[in-house]
Amino acid sequence: SQELEQSPQSLIVQEGKNLTINCTSSKTLYGLYWYKQKYGEGLIFLMMLQKGGEEKSHEKITAKLDEKKQQSSLHITASQPSHAGIYLCGADDQGGSEKLVFGKGTKLTVNP
Amino acid sequence: EPEVTQTPSHQVTQMGQEVILRCVPISNHLYFYWYRQILGQKVEFLVSFYNNEISEKSEIFDDQFSVERPDGSNFTLKIRSTKLEDSAMYFCASRGIRNQPQHFGDGTRLSIL
Repeated sequence: SQELEQSPQSLIVQEGKNLTINCTSSKTLYGLYWYKQKYGEGLIFLMMLQKGGEEKSHEKITAKLDEKKQQSSLHITASQPSHAGIYLCGADDQGGSEKLVFGKGTKLTVNP
Repeated sequence: EPEVTQTPSHQVTQMGQEVILRCVPISNHLYFYWYRQILGQKVEFLVSFYNNEISEKSEIFDDQFSVERPDGSNFTLKIRSTKLEDSAMYFCASRGIRNQPQHFGDGTRLSIL
């Protein structure tokens, strides 16, 4: 089945700095989802990417899916303390399965 | 904005006891899911449910687990005889149609003593 690797595992940045989180798949991605999780809480849906080369933005967060559909990146511009949390990429598993498989997550800390 | 709600937020149970975790999915959604996350590990799929039956389940979802949609709004996960290794955060998710994102609840933290 699908395996997702996220990098970095953790990231500490100063408020106002830009940052990028990567998600790499072992297989072609048919649906890639970014979620944010605060410690001990649920997963908040951020964005969904399905087409090679697709890019979506919401407020200061931009997500891209590469042309080969095996890598996605999440970019945050001018980070704020409210961006802190764990960012998870998830993907539709292969063969028409409904389940999502997830990466281990990237823990983001934004220092004021 | 509509959301998935889960109760209780935290459940503490003795090993061997039965637990029922409850979820109210988003009202017009058709697909329902349970996932779990053991502390420090990835979020793992347990089961998917559509049209009043299980559509897919993982190898984790053995005979000790069952799901039910007893009425038009609730979706439950039952663990018949809990084990220490069942301690985890359990997430319910729902989605409207395929190719739409899954929306997750805040989870139930299950602690088995």
